[in-house]
Amino acid sequence: ELKVEQNPLFLSMQEGKNYTIYCNYSTTSDRLYWYRQDPGKSLESLFVLLSNGAVKQEGRLMASLDTKARLSTLHITAAVHDLSATYFCAVASYGKLTFGQGTILTVHP
Amino acid sequence: DVKVTQSSRYLVKRTGEKVFLECVQDMDHENMFWYRQDPGLGLRLIYFSYDVKMKEKGDIPEGYSVSREKKERFSLILESASTNQTSMYLCASTLLAGGLYEQYFGPGTRLTVT
Repeated sequence: ELKVEQNPLFLSMQEGKNYTIYCNYSTTSDRLYWYRQDPGKSLESLFVLLSNGAVKQEGRLMASLDTKARLSTLHITAAVHDLSATYFCAVASYGKLTFGQGTILTVHP
Repeated sequence: DVKVTQSSRYLVKRTGEKVFLECVQDMDHENMFWYRQDPGLGLRLIYFSYDVKMKEKGDIPEGYSVSREKKERFSLILESASTNQTSMYLCASTLLAGGLYEQYFGPGTRLTVT
């Protein structure tokens, strides 16, 4: 059974600081997804990582994938309040996704 | 833009009632999914469907059934609602373009069973 674990589950950051969210998964997969969810809203796709060593960046967010370590990271650079949300990673296996628990990110002034 | 819509944003039902949650996508996607989302547990897959009239159990199918009579519509049915089915329900669809499996989500239905 595929297991996906994120840490931390709660992250309180000051504006301007950097931090990383980690996503570990238990079985081989070469597709990993990051989603963002704002309070009361649905999930919005951020990144799709398709191969080992893949790195994608959008604004202050950068995601990477290490399939050998079964690890993906979501790095936040110089956080701003607008990044406050819940972030999920999800791993593809047999045509379906298994999600991590989610990381609730709060950025304070 | 892909659009996935769900029939209700909020729903309150009584224990024992039969509940229907409807999901419609407008992009001719083959695959559709139903998840429930609970705090600290992420999204858990209830059922999914690869094609019309086809369905597959996900990780937590107990107490639920589904129906897919048309490609664009996927319904989740709670045969006899119970309080432990109070949750946020999310529908998603995906086009298998190059094996991406990227899923597009609906706005969610927050169901309360009293």
